[in-house]
Amino acid sequence: GENVEQHPSTLSVQEGDSAVIKCTYSDSASNYFPWYKQELGKGPQLIIDIRSNVGEKKDQRIAVTLNKTAKHFSLHITETQPEDSAVYFCAASGGYQKVTFGTGTKLQVIP
Amino acid sequence: GAGVSQTPSNKVTEKGKYVELRCDPISGHTALYWYRQSLGQGPEFLIYFQGTGAADDSGLPNDRFFAVRPEGSVSTLKIQRTERGDSAVYLCASSLWAPRLAGGGDEQFFGPGTRLTVL
Repeated sequence: GENVEQHPSTLSVQEGDSAVIKCTYSDSASNYFPWYKQELGKGPQLIIDIRSNVGEKKDQRIAVTLNKTAKHFSLHITETQPEDSAVYFCAASGGYQKVTFGTGTKLQVIP
Repeated sequence: GAGVSQTPSNKVTEKGKYVELRCDPISGHTALYWYRQSLGQGPEFLIYFQGTGAADDSGLPNDRFFAVRPEGSVSTLKIQRTERGDSAVYLCASSLWAPRLAGGGDEQFFGPGTRLTVL
């Protein structure tokens, strides 16, 4: 089955700096890569996703990149704000609906 | 509109007891998923329903776990003879299911979860 690895497990940045989270996946059949933000006591919330026919996608301060050859994908958050502090999960899915999540990155944005 | 709701929000039970966890998906969403999230980990897939049928139950850890969705809307996750290792947050998600899109997948909307504690 699919295996998703995520790094780093914790990340502290100064407000206004950029944050980068990296993931790798194992199953070459995976073709959908969502990113979720989870705040304490809440369920994960989708913040951006990318499909296998696209190499990069941007939404305001958030961007994702996908390298299918290397089986890598990354999340970039620019101009970080304190409200960006949360746990972020990458995930991978292969055509049908089963989604495999990474282990999470706890992001702390220091004011 | 209303999001995915889960009840109860917290459940404390004793080892060996039976529990039921309920999920109300977003109206009109045909796909429903159950995940289990242990402390400090990502959600782990348990089962996925398309309509009333379980399309994939490969994530259920053993036969103590069972889930139903009899009318294609509300779903109940049932755990028999609970063990301390079952303690976790159980998350439910729903999505609009579409035939395989180019690039696959569609957005899953998660509920707040049920925190299960087995003493």
